[in-house]
Amino acid sequence: EPEVTQTPSHQVTQMGQEVILRCVPISNHLYFYWYRQILGQKVEFLVSFYNNEISEKSEIFDDQFSVERPDGSNFTLKIRSTKLEDSAMYFCASSEGGNTYEQYFGPGTRLTVT
Amino acid sequence: KNEVEQSPQNLTAQEGEFITINCSYSVGISALHWLQQHPGGGIVSLFMLSSGKKKHGRLIATINIQEKHSSLHITASHPRDSAVYICAVQGYNTDKLIFGTGTRLQVFP
Repeated sequence: EPEVTQTPSHQVTQMGQEVILRCVPISNHLYFYWYRQILGQKVEFLVSFYNNEISEKSEIFDDQFSVERPDGSNFTLKIRSTKLEDSAMYFCASSEGGNTYEQYFGPGTRLTVT
Repeated sequence: KNEVEQSPQNLTAQEGEFITINCSYSVGISALHWLQQHPGGGIVSLFMLSSGKKKHGRLIATINIQEKHSSLHITASHPRDSAVYICAVQGYNTDKLIFGTGTRLQVFP
C-alpha cells in the first residue's frame, strides 16, 4: 500500500542552524501539507501546497519557514534559523484532492533544537 | 475557546468493553476526520465523515451536523486499540485540518 515517507526520523540541531525536513508524498497525490506537534500539545497546521505554490499557511508559518517541491517526488520544509521553540514532531501529509479528501500522514520527523 | 473539543481526555477500559469518544466543534465544517496516533507518534486516518455514519471493522463513526457533534465507537475493545484518538475538522474552502487535543485510550487485558 502506498505511503508517505519522511526523512530523517530524528534531527538534532543547534539554535540558529538551518534544517530541511524531507517528505515523499504518495505518488498520485496533488495536495501536500506540513503539520507540527509540540510535545504534549495538539497537532497544528503549518502550510498547504498545491500546483507548486502555497495555498494556505498559518500564523506559525512565518518568514523562517519555506516549502519546496524541488522535483517530482520530494516535498521539503526548511526552517532557516531554528529556535528552541521549533522543537516538535513535524508531520507531512498528502491527499488526492483538497477539501473533503482524506489526508495520509507520514511517520513524522522529531526535531530537537538545543 | 478551542474550535474542536474532545471528551474524555483519558479513558481506560477492560478488554471487550464498548468505547465511545466524543467530539464537539464550533465552526462550520465540510468534513470531520477521526485519526489514531500510536505511541511512536505516527498518525493514521480512520474515517472522514461529512454526514451520517461509517463503519470499518470494530470502529464506527457518526456525525450530527446540526448539533456539531461526532462520536467514535469501538466495539469489543482490545489492548491493541490503545492509542490516542484525535478528531479534526475541515472548514469550507480550506484543506487545513483543525485538531482536537485527542483522547488517550488504554485497554487492559
